[in-house]
Amino acid sequence: NAGVTQTPKFRILKIGQSMTLQCTQDMNHNYMYWYRQDPGMGLKLIYYSVGAGITDKGEVPNGYNVSRSTTEDFPLRLELAAPSQTSVYFCASTLTGEGNYGYTFGSGTRLTVV
Amino acid sequence: KQEVTQIPAALSVPEGENLVLNCSFTDSAIYNLQWFRQDPGKGLTSLLLIQSSQREQTSGRLNASLDKSSGRSTLYIAASQPGDSATYLCASLSYNTDKLIFGTGTRLQVFP
Repeated sequence: NAGVTQTPKFRILKIGQSMTLQCTQDMNHNYMYWYRQDPGMGLKLIYYSVGAGITDKGEVPNGYNVSRSTTEDFPLRLELAAPSQTSVYFCASTLTGEGNYGYTFGSGTRLTVV
Repeated sequence: KQEVTQIPAALSVPEGENLVLNCSFTDSAIYNLQWFRQDPGKGLTSLLLIQSSQREQTSGRLNASLDKSSGRSTLYIAASQPGDSATYLCASLSYNTDKLIFGTGTRLQVFP
């Protein structure tokens, strides 16, 4: 049981490049989330999904896109990378919206945009 | 809009002290309040989850309380150890959304 798997662990992008951060969970969780964490700060919600085919914006969605074609996968797409997107990105999942079963977090993707 | 604040931002204490970390939230209509631990360069580990109908939860040397009326939660760490050194984050899950909103964290250092 792998939990939440994020790839890659590290990435350096040049300004204007694009990339997809991958997130996969094998716990059959309905809810999945993408957060970013800037140095010395808490986590800010980028996008979330309550099930396959359903996504919604969080606190800081600008510059990002997501899709949820399957229950397992929730990729995060950066289209024209900017230095302000330098951050650590975390994916998380939980079984229900009430969060009664707790949240499982991936180990993160450290992204630097230069 | 839910806002979550944590005080203090950083704390450095000698081993053996009992600690209180504070978390405040503006929207009391929450499903639950959670405390997480984050080690440097790592992901988040769930410590305690308090349902909105509960007043507190305990796990080993950790005790978390919840007072929805005042919009506050505290994490109490008894007999602190150097291994407790980490950043502690609280997060609330609101009824009105499905969003788990985090505070900015308290960075704890326990020295021998």
